[in-house]
Amino acid sequence: ETGVTQSPTHLIKTRGQQVTLRCSSQSGHNTVSWYQQALGQGPQFIFQYYREEENGRGNFPPRFSGLQFPNYSSELNVNALELDDSALYLCASSSARQGTYGYTFGSGTRLTVV
Amino acid sequence: ELKVEQNPLFLSMQEGKNYTIYCNYSTTSDRLYWYRQDPGKSLESLFVLLSNGAVKQEGRLMASLDTKARLSTLHITAAVHDLSATYFCAVESVYTGNQFYFGTGTSLTVIP
Repeated sequence: ETGVTQSPTHLIKTRGQQVTLRCSSQSGHNTVSWYQQALGQGPQFIFQYYREEENGRGNFPPRFSGLQFPNYSSELNVNALELDDSALYLCASSSARQGTYGYTFGSGTRLTVV
Repeated sequence: ELKVEQNPLFLSMQEGKNYTIYCNYSTTSDRLYWYRQDPGKSLESLFVLLSNGAVKQEGRLMASLDTKARLSTLHITAAVHDLSATYFCAVESVYTGNQFYFGTGTSLTVIP
């Protein structure tokens, strides 16, 4: 059973640019969520995808968007990067099967916006 | 919006001592999770608490949940250096698509 893998591990972008982060879910997991963790803070929910549809969104602007693919892998896209977007971005997968709870988190992508 | 508060935010304790981290939340929820995070690393699941009165133990860590008081505790017994990390509680909201609301974290340093 593979875990959740994210790429890249580190990324440096310039303000105003666009970025795409990728996530491969754990085998058997059909739900993926993305979280932003600023330095010294707890993770904040960005959005969640289930069967390729967004089914929950946190308090993030529309320039944060996502996709989930038929194989349950996922992308997080951020347009018009701002300095405050610098953070660790965590992908987490879970299963909607009854009796399973919680997420498996990936190791994260550290994004630095300069 | 559901609020999750942890205290203390920072904890420095000597090896061998006991201490408790508290997690309070603002809205009814029956699912609470504890995670550990080492510097620069991802989140490692420690405990899943699914009902009022639930108690889970793993090694020197024990977690409990009181849904009526909206309080969870993480108790550390006879701390060792390897427990140094940041600990987060997270409350799952079934009313907003199973979104997790994380606390601010407790940074634990165990001093030899």
